[in-house]
Amino acid sequence: DTEVTQTPKHLVMGMTNKKSLKCEQHMGHRAMYWYKQKAKKPPELMFVYSYEKLSINESVPSRFSPECPNSSLLNLHLHALQPEDSALYLCASSQIITGNTGELFFGEGSRLTVL
Amino acid sequence: SQQGEEDPQALSIQEGENATMNCSYKTSINNLQWYRQNSGRGLVHLILIRSNEREKHSGRLRVTLDTSKKSSSLLITASRAADTASYFCATDGSGGYQKVTFGIGTKLQVIP
Repeated sequence: DTEVTQTPKHLVMGMTNKKSLKCEQHMGHRAMYWYKQKAKKPPELMFVYSYEKLSINESVPSRFSPECPNSSLLNLHLHALQPEDSALYLCASSQIITGNTGELFFGEGSRLTVL
Repeated sequence: SQQGEEDPQALSIQEGENATMNCSYKTSINNLQWYRQNSGRGLVHLILIRSNEREKHSGRLRVTLDTSKKSSSLLITASRAADTASYFCATDGSGGYQKVTFGIGTKLQVIP
């Protein structure tokens, strides 16, 4: 199984809503990533988890709250978002090779629209 | 900020021609990777080249890496309409080996 599964595929939420994006992989990868991608732009790194611990936070606003409940799951909790947070949110996973980065496996993304 | 800068940002070629995309980066790296993205979809890994490698091949893909110039190129030979996509280079090493950051990308259109 070489898939990263993201749900939901599409999400529309108001600025006062609380919602979550979910990501799951069963490749035994111990590094998991959240990226944000605006239209016609490259993916921007948000968070990295290594061995279920947050290892990189790219100064992301606190209205985005990541969670890694186990080695297969990664969540992104959303609260009080702004319209400019509308984007494609991509989850990825990779093996951890000491001192090195392996291939990232990406999900198809969750397209978020904030009204 | 993004590590890599791709050149050109857009490329349009006829089917059967070769496509070359370049990537420049700013700081030292462990690896450089190339990814492809079809419109609005997830990214697909194409090839990884390590900092001690100079050239790598995979099928119709050829990647070169020049660490002295901090640049890489991706060559797609005998292009097909199905190669139409955006191509991104991705680098690590700046701020930690897991901090994989993407360049601005090249949008390739292959005309049948």
